[in-house]
Amino acid sequence: EPEVTQTPSHQVTQMGQEVILRCVPISNHLYFYWYRQILGQKVEFLVSFYNNEISEKSEIFDDQFSVERPDGSNFTLKIRSTKLEDSAMYFCASRQGQGTEKLFFGSGTQLSVL
Amino acid sequence: TQLLEQSPQFLSIQEGENLTVYCNSSSVFSSLQWYRQEPGEGPVLLVTVVTGGEVKKLKRLTFQFGDARKDSSLHITAAQPGDTGLYLCAAHNAGNNRKLIWGLGTSLAVNP
Repeated sequence: EPEVTQTPSHQVTQMGQEVILRCVPISNHLYFYWYRQILGQKVEFLVSFYNNEISEKSEIFDDQFSVERPDGSNFTLKIRSTKLEDSAMYFCASRQGQGTEKLFFGSGTQLSVL
Repeated sequence: TQLLEQSPQFLSIQEGENLTVYCNSSSVFSSLQWYRQEPGEGPVLLVTVVTGGEVKKLKRLTFQFGDARKDSSLHITAAQPGDTGLYLCAAHNAGNNRKLIWGLGTSLAVNP
């Protein structure tokens, strides 16, 4: 079965540093998402992306966050100045179409902000 | 704020036992999904239920969507150690397929 690939699997950074989390969605998928999961808490929606623009974002996704699909295959999440509370598992997901089509998740990037 | 509440939060049973876990809300959802997540991995979709009262079966797993589309259950028959994992429910709001709202999950341990 096709996979969503995320790199790195673990990222440790100092508070205030910029991080870029990378994702390669499944090749024929058109809808892309970032979710995060803080340890012991619920999975939280961050942002959805379609047709090269953000279609929806949550309150978490403030000015410190941005997403980009620079080359038609990668889908990146950038955090400009990381805070301690950004420490979480970040999941990228993609799906081919809208509605109830299957959402495929990557294995996640565990971000630790020190 | 729309919430999905899952119960129980933790469940430890012996191989061969049956179990049911629940996902409840006061909100109506257009569809609801069940995922299984293993440590260090992303959630993997098990099933999507759309119609109120719908029942879907996946081998030993039976999923039911409540008549009012506010709640769902997952029943596992004759649980096996390979069923161990975190079971998450997630739902789309009516009219918004862009984001999923998630429950906290039920952590299931099936002991041999």
